[in-house]
Amino acid sequence: AQSVTQPDIHITVSEGASLELRCNYSYGATPYLFWYVQSPGQGLQLLLKYFSGDTLVQGIKGFEAEFKRSQSSFNLRKPSVHWSDAAEYFCAVAAEGYKLSFGAGTTVTVRA
Amino acid sequence: GAGVSQSPSNKVTEKGKDVELRCDPISGHTALYWYRQSLGQGLEFLIYFQGNSAPDKSGLPSDRFSAERTGGSVSTLTIQRTQQEDSAVYLCASSLGSGKQFFGPGTRLTVL
Repeated sequence: AQSVTQPDIHITVSEGASLELRCNYSYGATPYLFWYVQSPGQGLQLLLKYFSGDTLVQGIKGFEAEFKRSQSSFNLRKPSVHWSDAAEYFCAVAAEGYKLSFGAGTTVTVRA
Repeated sequence: GAGVSQSPSNKVTEKGKDVELRCDPISGHTALYWYRQSLGQGLEFLIYFQGNSAPDKSGLPSDRFSAERTGGSVSTLTIQRTQQEDSAVYLCASSLGSGKQFFGPGTRLTVL
């Protein structure tokens, strides 16, 4: 069965600093990988997805992620965070193209 | 519609009562999903509807949970004889085929 591990429960970063959120997956076939963001009281919003092709994926809000098959990783990055990036971030893998399995999430706090 | 909508936004019920949660997907989306987000279990897949195919119910935690999708559009998730461990945020998502899933704001269920 597929699974996702997000090793970092909570990350604090200064505004303007870079951010990297780690995600490792376990899945037998080529995975469909996603990053979602959930702001307080809001639903989940898709930041970016990887299905195939270029391993560096660009998403919304200045985020990007890199798929590394050899490391079973799909880490999310942003070069310069804004206070509005404070939220919870979820990595997910889709089995059979539709059934999302989520990681436990990483909470990002942005300090001024 | 503009997005996935869910009602009610909050539901408080007594243990043993039945509840119904509603999801209105994005117009034209053929696929509809229910997920549950709870403190202890994180985000879990519950059930998936795709067109007229038999739903994938593999994520439903017990036979107290059921869901239907009428006319290929609106879906209702029913929880019978609610228990305190059913307290969670229930998220609905829809997609066009097996593509990108758009999430609703969720229904927060509290079982007293």
